[in-house]
Amino acid sequence: GQQLNQSPQSMFIQEGEDVSMNCTSSSIFNTWLWYKQDPGEGPVLLIALYKAGELTSNGRLTAQFGITRKDSFLNISASIPSDVGIYFCAGQGGGSEKLVFGKGTKLTVNP
Amino acid sequence: DGGITQSPKYLFRKEGQNVTLSCEQNLNHDAMYWYRQDPGQGLRLIYYSQIVNDFQKGDIAEGYSVSREKKESFPLTVTSAQKNPTAFYLCASSILRGQPQHFGDGTRLSIL
Repeated sequence: GQQLNQSPQSMFIQEGEDVSMNCTSSSIFNTWLWYKQDPGEGPVLLIALYKAGELTSNGRLTAQFGITRKDSFLNISASIPSDVGIYFCAGQGGGSEKLVFGKGTKLTVNP
Repeated sequence: DGGITQSPKYLFRKEGQNVTLSCEQNLNHDAMYWYRQDPGQGLRLIYYSQIVNDFQKGDIAEGYSVSREKKESFPLTVTSAQKNPTAFYLCASSILRGQPQHFGDGTRLSIL
């Protein structure tokens, strides 16, 4: 089945630093989604990407759909304490309309 | 406000008991989904429904059942056949299947 490798598993950074995380797949995807989950809550959609090479921003967040359609990255600039949470990538395509999720990147921001 | 409401927030199940988790959406979305989340894991699909009175098994459907009698509602029953039910359960919906999914705030199920 389709699998996503998300890295890193966890990050510990200082407030103000930039953050980068990525997902790679063994399969081609038509859509890449990035979600953030706070403890005890459901994931919230941050950014949706639909075309290879697409670069999309949402405030301090920027995500890109890889040219090969097998990867995506998410950058967070000038991190703040409320950025703490788990970030998930999800891909869709390759003959299936199901979403495949990465295992998440847990972000900790030290004030 | 439009959104997805899951209830209850916390649920406890006794051995051999069936329990039902509620999911209601007022977004007028056609597609609805149930996921299971275990610590340190991604989300795994249990069941999904594209339209009223139709639903399909996901990757881990064994021990679960669903119904879709109304567009707004997609309840999940965790049956006694599910031997390891302790998890965080998330309901999601999308305008159509294949569109970005939006999630409720989850139900945490534990075994007594």
